Amino acid sequence: DAKTTQPPSMDCAEGRAANLPCNHSTISGNEYVYWYRQIHSQGPQYIIHGLKNNETNEMASLIITEDRKSSTLILPHATLRDTAVYYCIVRSHNQGGKLIFGQGTELSVKP
Amino acid sequence: SQTIHQWPATLVQPVGSPLSLECTVEGTSNPNLYWYRQAAGRGLQLLFYSVGIGQISSEVPQNLSASRPQDRQFILSSKKLLLSDSGFYLCAWGRTSYNEQFFGPGTRLTVL
Repeated sequence: DAKTTQPPSMDCAEGRAANLPCNHSTISGNEYVYWYRQIHSQGPQYIIHGLKNNETNEMASLIITEDRKSSTLILPHATLRDTAVYYCIVRSHNQGGKLIFGQGTELSVKP
Repeated sequence: SQTIHQWPATLVQPVGSPLSLECTVEGTSNPNLYWYRQAAGRGLQLLFYSVGIGQISSEVPQNLSASRPQDRQFILSSKKLLLSDSGFYLCAWGRTSYNEQFFGPGTRLTVL
């Protein structure tokens, strides 16, 4: 079973920041938080991951709370092409590093 | 750079027929390989993963099987398809268990 809880859907205005929350209250000390997104009918796309510290790359920023029980993915300037289902995944690097997907958040970016 | 290929892109098969889906990765060696399935309107479910040639781990009991005959080739098979096998099948690779996974374009299978 997925170890994360996400809102099923969110809206965001084009050009504004999209903040996608994720709860992972049972995360273990050696588990990472990963974010993927899936645009309709395509394979999931890796976005970012982190363990304890906040992370930033060219796509997004990941903010992890100090107790690691929740995190937020930030798309700083959302575009229409960011409309997708966003998956927050708690991943152990054991057992082949498998990803366990939940239902994700369907983000709709609107003009 | 690395690329991952899956074929066919779409497939319509009758119940009881065999299945073979192929996934190949270019530009890397000894990757971890994964098969996921996504049923309509649902999240992805891991079916199999492989950390090396001939090494297959199964995550869920089913009538599907996987094989890794070559380092960068991963095959998903079935001897007799069921209606419930319909879905979107995705192959993914990662350098190791510690690295992010990259997904292929997927195969959409419809069993009639």
